Amino acid sequence: AQSVSQHNHHVILSEAASLELGCNYSYGGTVNLFWYVQYPGQHLQLLLKYFSGDPLVKGIKGFEAEFIKSKFSFNLRKPSVQWSDTAEYFCAVMTGGYNKLIFGAGTRLAVHP
Amino acid sequence: NAGVTQTPKFQVLKTGQSMTLQCAQDMNHEYMSWYRQDPGMGLRLIHYSVGAGITDQGEVPNGYNVSRSTTEDFPLRLLSAAPSQTSVYFCASSYSSGSWDEQFFGPGTRLTVL
Repeated sequence: AQSVSQHNHHVILSEAASLELGCNYSYGGTVNLFWYVQYPGQHLQLLLKYFSGDPLVKGIKGFEAEFIKSKFSFNLRKPSVQWSDTAEYFCAVMTGGYNKLIFGAGTRLAVHP
Repeated sequence: NAGVTQTPKFQVLKTGQSMTLQCAQDMNHEYMSWYRQDPGMGLRLIHYSVGAGITDQGEVPNGYNVSRSTTEDFPLRLLSAAPSQTSVYFCASSYSSGSWDEQFFGPGTRLTVL
């Protein structure tokens, strides 16, 4: 069965620090990849997605992610985090039809001023 | 548009009680789904529907029933609640079942089963 691994469960950073959250998936075929964010008390919102083409994907709020097929990875990056980036981040994979997402366990990011 | 709405926001049940979590969307989306979110496990798909009258099981369907009589509504029923069903439940919808369509999530229902 397909699975998604997010290696960092909790990350604590100071403002202006750089961020990289790891995401690896287990599936050998074609995948669509997503990063969602859940701000405290809010519902999930799509940050960015990869379907095909340029493996470096840019999303909202300065986030980007790079798809490395040989490593089965889709890591999320931001060069300089802000306090408002404090949230939980979920990597998700879609491997088949019917829009079924498989989520990772999530990474809680806390950014201190 | 209100987007995806869920009611109630919070619910406490006793073991064995039944209840229905409501989900509605006003975007004329064909595809709707239910997820549960548990600490350290991310979101897991319970049931989904690709259109009115069509439903199917996801990853963790046991203990839950769904129906889709209209395009707008996709209720999730717990027939006999168990403590293992304590979780946060999210409903999501997308324009179609195609993988390219973004899923929009509702605000969630936090359920506690005692």
